[in-house]
Amino acid sequence: QQQVKQSPQSLIVQKGGIPIINCAYENTAFDYFPWYQQFPGKGPALLIAIRPDVSEKKEGRFTISFNKSAKQFSLHIMDSQPGDSATYFCAATTSAAMTTDSWGKLQFGAGTQVVVTP
Amino acid sequence: DGGITQSPKYLFRKEGQNVTLSCEQNLNHDAMYWYRQDPGQGLRLIYYSQIVNDFQKGDIAEGYSVSREKKESFPLTVTSAQKNPTAFYLCASSIYGTSGAFFGPGTRLTVL
Repeated sequence: QQQVKQSPQSLIVQKGGIPIINCAYENTAFDYFPWYQQFPGKGPALLIAIRPDVSEKKEGRFTISFNKSAKQFSLHIMDSQPGDSATYFCAATTSAAMTTDSWGKLQFGAGTQVVVTP
Repeated sequence: DGGITQSPKYLFRKEGQNVTLSCEQNLNHDAMYWYRQDPGQGLRLIYYSQIVNDFQKGDIAEGYSVSREKKESFPLTVTSAQKNPTAFYLCASSIYGTSGAFFGPGTRLTVL
């Protein structure tokens, strides 16, 4: 059973649009939530991450929104460009501050394929 | 340049063969991980190691084995007991005290 549920499976937006990807989790021990971007045939690249004491984090055109009470978080890609076309994965893990034996083990969502058309 | 290297990039295995995938990092990271990626299923954890000479099973360890004799190296052996080994294998590493894992470029394994 997946500990992190991600939706939608795929989405298509026009250049300049704002793709939004949503993730939900159940394990309240998770305290670190990264997003990864993956291009075909490549390894995932860490894009942006958030901890549950923050409700929003921005890095460039990427924004994470976090709702601790709902156990949900989402990625927004502002002013999307064709070069943003990739598969995006949300993930969750427990940091070393919370556990001594299983820190850093990432649980991934199933991924969202984003296509940004010109 | 610091980073994670995986070799080979492509690997072909015959039925009944064991194969070993290499993963090396020069980032001085404490922990190393092996993930398997199949289409539509995200990444699933095979094994992880937080310290040299110690490793733990992940969610799908059956048919795989690992070793961690050096901090910078974490090879994965896909044994003949793994019935469906065709997949994209990703190695990652992270520093103790942080949680952002960095991934290598991957090895694509195909069973002939």
